Amino acid sequence: GAGVSQSPSNKVTEKGKDVELRCDPISGHTALYWYRQSLGQGLEFLIYFQGNSAPDKSGLPSDRFSAERTGGSVSTLTIQRTQQEDSAVYLCASSSQTGTTEAFFGQGTRLTVV
Amino acid sequence: SQELEQSPQSLIVQEGKNLTINCTSSKTLYGLYWYKQKYGEGLIFLMMLQKGGEEKSHEKITAKLDEKKQQSSLHITASQPSHAGIYLCGAPDYSGTYKYIFGTGTRLKVLA
Repeated sequence: GAGVSQSPSNKVTEKGKDVELRCDPISGHTALYWYRQSLGQGLEFLIYFQGNSAPDKSGLPSDRFSAERTGGSVSTLTIQRTQQEDSAVYLCASSSQTGTTEAFFGQGTRLTVV
Repeated sequence: SQELEQSPQSLIVQEGKNLTINCTSSKTLYGLYWYKQKYGEGLIFLMMLQKGGEEKSHEKITAKLDEKKQQSSLHITASQPSHAGIYLCGAPDYSGTYKYIFGTGTRLKVLA
């Protein structure tokens, strides 16, 4: 597509429910990143996919968080048993070459856990 | 791991004034990216710097990477209300996998 697309743009969920956030990267981009941005905070790295390599999951805050990338394209970030501290904007980005080209960001998914 | 520190954390300027935002890295930079974010939105790519001493400009925004490649500055000339937002510097972290790391951002407000 023309840009990185994320859905939904907003999600309100009850504490304890599972949520799925979707990211559709720019066509042809092999690298895909998930970040979390809490209110007034910087970007917190969550997970990184590069081609067929094993993903870098070092930023996932707990085992309630998981992500997959099917067919090297669309990615889904899943949060199980959501907690109020999970409320944040979840940003997805993609790039054509790791570390040497800029990453393009989606508009984000604003998650509110009530 | 590599860290990026931005200063100032926030800035309020009168329209028409010049301003500078700094980004300092704990390690040598092999690429430095500047982004702008408006409240509640994604990041918009502004500029990429890779070579020591490199300077790039886009409209009234100029960014420079110092010779030692551990600091970058973003300078806005004759600021306008449209420049308001959060400016973030980012860089690839070569200490592990090549994820991008980001500074904590500088919140800019321009008074009309």
